[in-house]
Amino acid sequence: DAGVIQSPRHEVTEMGQEVTLRCKPISGHDYLFWYRQTMMRGLELLIYFNNNVPIDDSGMPEDRFSAKMPNASFSTLKIQPSEPRDSAVYFCASSIGTGVMSGNQPQHFGDGTRLSIL
Amino acid sequence: AQSVAQPEDQVNVAEGNPLTVKCTYSVSGNPYLFWYVQYPNRGLQFLLKYITGDNLVKGSYGFEAEFNKSQTSFHLKKPSALVSDSALYFCAVRKGYGGATNKLIFGTGTLLAVQP
Repeated sequence: DAGVIQSPRHEVTEMGQEVTLRCKPISGHDYLFWYRQTMMRGLELLIYFNNNVPIDDSGMPEDRFSAKMPNASFSTLKIQPSEPRDSAVYFCASSIGTGVMSGNQPQHFGDGTRLSIL
Repeated sequence: AQSVAQPEDQVNVAEGNPLTVKCTYSVSGNPYLFWYVQYPNRGLQFLLKYITGDNLVKGSYGFEAEFNKSQTSFHLKKPSALVSDSALYFCAVRKGYGGATNKLIFGTGTLLAVQP
């Protein structure tokens, strides 16, 4: 059973460039989460979707960040323009969360995209 | 507001000794509690969860955790540590049944170092 797949695994780019991170959730999962991990700030939730609809984007740092989920099997996180302080590991996670027991299922994480902005 | 605290940045233990990684939480109502482990250059992996029922929860790789409602704690334990258990461990909480959001609140993580 394939897990959450993220691409690319590593991205190095120059300040000001557009960066697009990609995620394929586990088939059948209806929740998708984007996280950012840094040494200074730990693990931060950026945004999450339910059935392809953004539910909470309060963690998105600023307007340079945007996320989309055009269908149940694909999501993107875009940074435009990128800045050195965006350097971090970005994780995508998915979970099943339907019905009255919503929320008692674990989130399954991808292996992340290590982003370096020079 | 929901929160979770992992009071130790690092825990050191000798191989073969028991280990405990501490977690305390704050949430209104009944909590759903989770432990995850992260190995270098990997995503977080689910270890175990407490939803309801027995306070002692058993999970992957021989780990277990004890839910203590009066102390609002959910400490992770293992009777005999292995060098391969060395990793970063995260506790997470969300409001239980009836909670309006599916967001998990993660702790800051505890680095477990098992010496041979």
